[in-house]
Amino acid sequence: GENVEQHPSTLSVQEGDSAVIKCTYSDSASNYFPWYKQELGKGPQLIIDIRSNVGEKKDQRIAVTLNKTAKHFSLHITETQPEDSAVYFCAASSRNNQGGKLIFGQGTELSVKP
Amino acid sequence: GAVVSQHPSRVICKSGTSVKIECRSLDFQATTMFWYRQFPKQSLMLMATSNEGSKATYEQGVEKDKFLINHASLTLSTLTVTSAHPEDSSFYICSASNPGGPNYNEQFFGPGTRLTVL
Repeated sequence: GENVEQHPSTLSVQEGDSAVIKCTYSDSASNYFPWYKQELGKGPQLIIDIRSNVGEKKDQRIAVTLNKTAKHFSLHITETQPEDSAVYFCAASSRNNQGGKLIFGQGTELSVKP
Repeated sequence: GAVVSQHPSRVICKSGTSVKIECRSLDFQATTMFWYRQFPKQSLMLMATSNEGSKATYEQGVEKDKFLINHASLTLSTLTVTSAHPEDSSFYICSASNPGGPNYNEQFFGPGTRLTVL
């Protein structure tokens, strides 16, 4: 079955710096790759997603890149702010996989220091 | 994005009792809902997938008789933890999706329910 590996597990940056989180997936049939931000005690919130027909997507300070050949995708956050501090999860899904079951990475705890 | 609510947000119960958690999609029809469990500092673990009007599909290792799932309408799914024990204490999160819609893989997550079993 699908397996998603996420690195690093923790990331500490200075405010204003960029943060990059990387994920690899195993199932070549995966075609949907969302990224979630989870604050303490809350449910995950979708921050950006990408489908397999594009290689990059950007939304203000957040961007995601996808390399289908290498089966990896990355989250890029520029000009980080203290409120970006949270746990970030990547996930992968295939339309043919039980109605879109998401397989999650292990999570990255991002800390942005003022 | 779509809004998913959960009730209650937190619950404390005694060992041996049953607890019901509700998951509602407020502004769209969710043909599929997912239930996850999350332990501290860990990722989300899928427990089961429920499709409206049919039996839930449980992940390997999840006891279907202990975690009863009902998805009776397109806007409501419930998870009942039966005969809860302290090891069932966790953060339970639901999500909703409409696989037949244009954004077929997208899942909208609820705010989670913190269950503590004494």
